Amino acid sequence: AQTVTQSQPEMSVQEAETVTLSCTYDTSESDYYLFWYKQPPSRQMILVIRQEAYKQQNATENRFSVNFQKAAKSFSLKISDSQLGDAAMYFCAWCNFNKFYFGSGTKLNVKP
Amino acid sequence: DAGVIQSPRHEVTEMGQEVTLRCKPISGHNSLFWYRQTMMRGLELLIYFNNNVPIDDSGMPEDRFSAKMPNASFSTLKIQPSEPRDSAVYFCASSSRVAGGPLLTDTQYFGPGTRLTVL
Repeated sequence: AQTVTQSQPEMSVQEAETVTLSCTYDTSESDYYLFWYKQPPSRQMILVIRQEAYKQQNATENRFSVNFQKAAKSFSLKISDSQLGDAAMYFCAWCNFNKFYFGSGTKLNVKP
Repeated sequence: DAGVIQSPRHEVTEMGQEVTLRCKPISGHNSLFWYRQTMMRGLELLIYFNNNVPIDDSGMPEDRFSAKMPNASFSTLKIQPSEPRDSAVYFCASSSRVAGGPLLTDTQYFGPGTRLTVL
């Protein structure tokens, strides 16, 4: 079975600083997709960014970017210029054509 | 625009009772997903539909769980009989099919979830 590991249960960052959340995954497949989801206290899951495994270029969405290392099976999320509204649980996720797996999440605290 | 709507937001029931969770996907979306979130197991995909047809229900934990999508604007997840270990937050999500790539990779829009407590 595929596994998604987020080794950092909780992290803190100062407002306006940069933080990187780690994610590794285990798969024998070559074609898959990776995601980062944000879950604020409101509980609603929000897609932050996605990456297709066949693309070498790292995905970016405004202040959010990923460092995708396919050989190392690593998919980290970098948040630049952190804002108070970034405080949330962040989930890394992996999927192929019929399965979707989430990591255990990293709680991000943003300090003013 | 209204997002995914789930009802009820909170449900408290007693063991053995039937529980029905409801979901209204975003209008125009043709895929619908049910997830369960617990502290022990994290987020799990239970079942998903495309064009009202169940595609994969391998994530459904037991026969006590069933899901239906009678039309494009409504889906239910039923637990009968409910057990305390079913206590969790249940999320519904919907997406619009994008040409190319697996269905699961389409951007999913999640509802606010239903917090179920089974006593």
